Amino acid sequence: GESVGLHLPTLSVQEGDNSIINCAYSNSASDYFIWYKQESGKGPQFIIDIRSNMDKRQGQRVTVLLNKTVKHLSLQIAATQPGDSAVYFCAENMGFNKFYFGSGTKLNVKP
Amino acid sequence: SAVISQKPSRDICQRGTSLTIQCQVDSQVTMMFWYRQQPGQSLTLIATANQGSEATYESGFVIDKFPISRPNLTFSTLTVSNMSPEDSSIYLCSVDRWQGASGNTIYFGEGSWLTVV
Repeated sequence: GESVGLHLPTLSVQEGDNSIINCAYSNSASDYFIWYKQESGKGPQFIIDIRSNMDKRQGQRVTVLLNKTVKHLSLQIAATQPGDSAVYFCAENMGFNKFYFGSGTKLNVKP
Repeated sequence: SAVISQKPSRDICQRGTSLTIQCQVDSQVTMMFWYRQQPGQSLTLIATANQGSEATYESGFVIDKFPISRPNLTFSTLTVSNMSPEDSSIYLCSVDRWQGASGNTIYFGEGSWLTVV
């Protein structure tokens, strides 16, 4: 199948700064995307999702942006905190709720 | 969200043996999925567990190696058969759940962390 990939394998930010994690997807027919956070030793935790009929969706301190023209997805975290340190995955719905996951970005928050 | 319980949470297994992982959900769900996450890697879909019929496997995964049961709408098992060290992974159960305006989304259990020695 077509793949989902991430631009940056690791990202280090200062506590309090904003973080931006990027993801490229290749299937232009994908209509639903999810961002997950995975802390060490835990399963993936749902953060935020977006459907292809939207280009922006906001949650608590997080915003997902979808650019269908260039097939790009990003997760913005405002005022990054030490508790945000984790691996972040974007996931693309390939149909029937079967998701294909990107390779992940590790976010390190420096105090 | 959904409360998804997996057993065992961790295990160390001898090569050549088989282990069955259980997934229990707090309410009925239409779809249940099994994913594998090898050390330091992303998640890969193994199969969709279908209630009342055989599981649907993704490319690279076969029923003989990963038999799956789905006896009802809240429970599924994944067996990892004839294990080798390459099977050392986190095995994750996931379910779909209605999110309202967003439609259905997918939630994960905490995973079963298997080490094969």
